[in-house]
Amino acid sequence: AQSVAQPEDQVNVAEGNPLTVKCTYSVSGNPYLFWYVQYPNRGLQFLLKYITGDNLVKGSYGFEAEFNKSQTSFHLKKPSALVSDSALYFCAVVGGDSNYQLIWGAGTKLIIKP
Amino acid sequence: SQTIHQWPATLVQPVGSPLSLECTVEGTSNPNLYWYRQAAGRGLQLLFYSVGIGQISSEVPQNLSASRPQDRQFILSSKKLLLSDSGFYLCAWGLWASDEAFFGQGTRLTVV
Repeated sequence: AQSVAQPEDQVNVAEGNPLTVKCTYSVSGNPYLFWYVQYPNRGLQFLLKYITGDNLVKGSYGFEAEFNKSQTSFHLKKPSALVSDSALYFCAVVGGDSNYQLIWGAGTKLIIKP
Repeated sequence: SQTIHQWPATLVQPVGSPLSLECTVEGTSNPNLYWYRQAAGRGLQLLFYSVGIGQISSEVPQNLSASRPQDRQFILSSKKLLLSDSGFYLCAWGLWASDEAFFGQGTRLTVV
């Protein structure tokens, strides 16, 4: 079965420190991978995606993610966290057998402490 | 530019009452449209998606239905709400599998 795992319910990081939000996936074929962010009581906003090409993709607000095919991972990273980065982050994937529908991770709450 | 409108932002409805949530998209044609429900501020559950007018696919059997009367209009309905229908409902659109999806601001539905 196709799936996306975000193994951490919550990640706590001090402001100014690097942050990583983890995502692993299991799909058939070549995946399309996405990260979205959600602020309280708001819709989701697109951050970045990997379709093909360079494994390191850069997105909005200084975030980046690295596609690792051998580890089937797509971790979200930022070199220096801001308090305003505190939000809920979702990883999503489109795989070959998902009828082109997004498969969503459960979300990771990121808390940046001043 | 493309925009998506979803309303109302909040809604409190009694059990047994009907529901109609509307979503419209501007600035694109023939989008794929989606309704999601998010419980307790966490994971997303795909309820319905549509690839064209009158074409609705249901992912989860339940008390809700969806319709797409126009290319850029997507409606979520219920004839009789249940307490379990409470949640945060999100409308979204996209074009291709490799494209990002764009979300509305959501509707917080509380059934009392």
